[in-house]
Amino acid sequence: QVQLQESGPGLVKPSGTLSLTCAVSGGSISGNNWWSWVRQPPGKGLEWIGEIYHGGNTNYNPSLKSRVTISVDKSKNQFSLRLSSVTAADTAVYYCARTDRYSSSFDYWGQGSLVTVSS
Amino acid sequence: DIVMTQSPDSLAVSLGERATINCKSSQSVLYNSNNKNYLAWYQHKPGQPPKLLIYWASSRESGVPDRFSGSGSGTDFTLTISSLQAEDVAVYYCQQYCSTPPTFGQGTKLEIK
Repeated sequence: QVQLQESGPGLVKPSGTLSLTCAVSGGSISGNNWWSWVRQPPGKGLEWIGEIYHGGNTNYNPSLKSRVTISVDKSKNQFSLRLSSVTAADTAVYYCARTDRYSSSFDYWGQGSLVTVSS
Repeated sequence: DIVMTQSPDSLAVSLGERATINCKSSQSVLYNSNNKNYLAWYQHKPGQPPKLLIYWASSRESGVPDRFSGSGSGTDFTLTISSLQAEDVAVYYCQQYCSTPPTFGQGTKLEIK
């Protein structure tokens, strides 16, 4: 059973950089899957941030592309998110998720990590 | 981006009754090369991550009760819960993954009447 777990600071200052890591267990990050970040601002819907393949290929949401970097560490079986120049609008629960290689839907999710942007 | 629009925004249904949620995409999400609709449905409860219920518009994820079913093709889709149970109270999202970026509907809040 694949499990994902987000970790990182819960509070980030405005104009700073949000950094989160997603540890994958019960499966290899080097399998034939893409790995994504999805967020949900308080009281709002779900927004896909971007994805990475173990080879390092990435795709980003154009709305965030200029501020987002997703990276992978195969030796630690984890992948990471960096979002720069954050504002209060980036306050959200951040989820990591696996994209099923056959259906392309998000079949496994982390529990989510609340990140608040505030001074 | 493909815009996903769900209706209604909220829905109250009696226990044991049928619940129906609709989802419309601004462009077809039918992938011609394999004739599959790249449309998923998720159930989202407070304090939990979203749970995949349906993929390819009508394929039920392993372990999902058979009271959940999906239908539709092209731009119009439906999630049906045939007999509502108390544990089905949640927000439901449709999502397309036919093109990047994947996009979600705004969500439908399902409650017990």
